[in-house]
Amino acid sequence: DQQVKQNSPSLSVQEGRISILNCDYTNSMFDYFLWYKKYPAEGPTFLISISSIKDKNEDGRFTVFLNKSAKHLSLHIVPSQPGDSAVYFCAASLSGNTPLVFGKGTRLSVIA
Amino acid sequence: DAGVIQSPRHEVTEMGQEVTLRCKPISGHDYLFWYRQTMMRGLELLIYFNNNVPIDDSGMPEDRFSAKMPNASFSTLKIQPSEPRDSAVYFCASGRQYAQPQHFGDGTRLSIL
Repeated sequence: DQQVKQNSPSLSVQEGRISILNCDYTNSMFDYFLWYKKYPAEGPTFLISISSIKDKNEDGRFTVFLNKSAKHLSLHIVPSQPGDSAVYFCAASLSGNTPLVFGKGTRLSVIA
Repeated sequence: DAGVIQSPRHEVTEMGQEVTLRCKPISGHDYLFWYRQTMMRGLELLIYFNNNVPIDDSGMPEDRFSAKMPNASFSTLKIQPSEPRDSAVYFCASGRQYAQPQHFGDGTRLSIL
């Protein structure tokens, strides 16, 4: 029973275009969300987060959108670069007071 | 800041052998987490510690798995006896709070033959 779902195992995008990675969650009590990025043979690294009091958070080329009513969040990368090719994990927590629950990840390939 | 250090990076061993994975968290981080990554299940939390005390081990798959944190700078995850289905990448992560961005090590890729 997965509480955090990333339904697209993989995504290919042309360099310079927008990448949109999606994440759905089932527990409406989750109120803190993070995205991690993982390169092969390395551990995941923190990318961006959002709390439920906001519906958008931006950091450079990366923007996370949160739709609480739909229990859905998305990560937008604009413009996409070949170096963005990695596996992206969505994670969620209750008030930041419980361990993170991770999705299975989406492999993004940015094609030059 | 040296980051979270895991050893070994790769381990290949035969079924039935004892396996010990090691982790040195970032200094000053009160929380330490052990995860397992597989294709089927993604990133699963196995166990986590707060101030060296195990808080929740409900993710540990079987009694063959055990974890210790004898001090703030060292933790081990042990599998005894190991089985082929234990083959996975095992990550250690540390953080100042439960969910504030955790810092991951580069993982141990474990293959049980």
